[in-house]
Amino acid sequence: EIVLTQSPGTLSLSPGERATLSCRASQSVSSYLAWYQQKPGQAPRLLIYGASSRATGIPDRFSASGSGTDFTLTISRLEPEDFAVYYCQRYGTSPQTFGQGTKVEIK
Amino acid sequence: EVQLVQSGAEVKKPGESLKISCKGSGYSFTNYWIGWVRQMPGKGLEWMGIIYPGDSDTRYSPSFQGQVTISADKSISTAYLQWSSLKASDTAMYYCARHVVSSRFGAFDPWGQGTLVTVSS
Repeated sequence: EIVLTQSPGTLSLSPGERATLSCRASQSVSSYLAWYQQKPGQAPRLLIYGASSRATGIPDRFSASGSGTDFTLTISRLEPEDFAVYYCQRYGTSPQTFGQGTKVEIK
Repeated sequence: EVQLVQSGAEVKKPGESLKISCKGSGYSFTNYWIGWVRQMPGKGLEWMGIIYPGDSDTRYSPSFQGQVTISADKSISTAYLQWSSLKASDTAMYYCARHVVSSRFGAFDPWGQGTLVTVSS
């Protein structure tokens, strides 16, 4: 089973700062990599699919890159509504596992 | 609008059975894989499995194989997650979600609102 490891576990930043989140796979996942945002009490929301394509309605301050085993989600300037937990997910062959999450919190 | 609506919260006792549902609307239900995701209290997301309602092809995570059953009734555009004998450790929020593309390899979008399952004696 392919394991996704996200880092850091928690990111403490101020509004307006840049956030850089990492997701590393134990084997290549090609570009079958998605990023989700989850706020307390809400279902996750798809941000990025295909490693770098923004989902419908996602602001362009969210960008992502990577392929193979190393992936990055960048939030260029944090807005108050961006403080949340972010998960990566591989969606190639089953099981289509999630990373353990990175919490972006207000410093 | 593509939408997934899940059944309501459940409170059950250990050993009881349970079937929760996820009704799709606004798209061709038979053409998109639907998955189930567990989130235990205060924890992360766990991929449980997916089903293709068109022919009921189902894939499970090894962690959940034999512990739950995923099914679908395409006549009423509804997917199900069921347990035959619940344990306290099944207490969690369960989400259904549809693949964003008509492929077995797809990210999840949209998601249902979640069904909270509480198992307690």
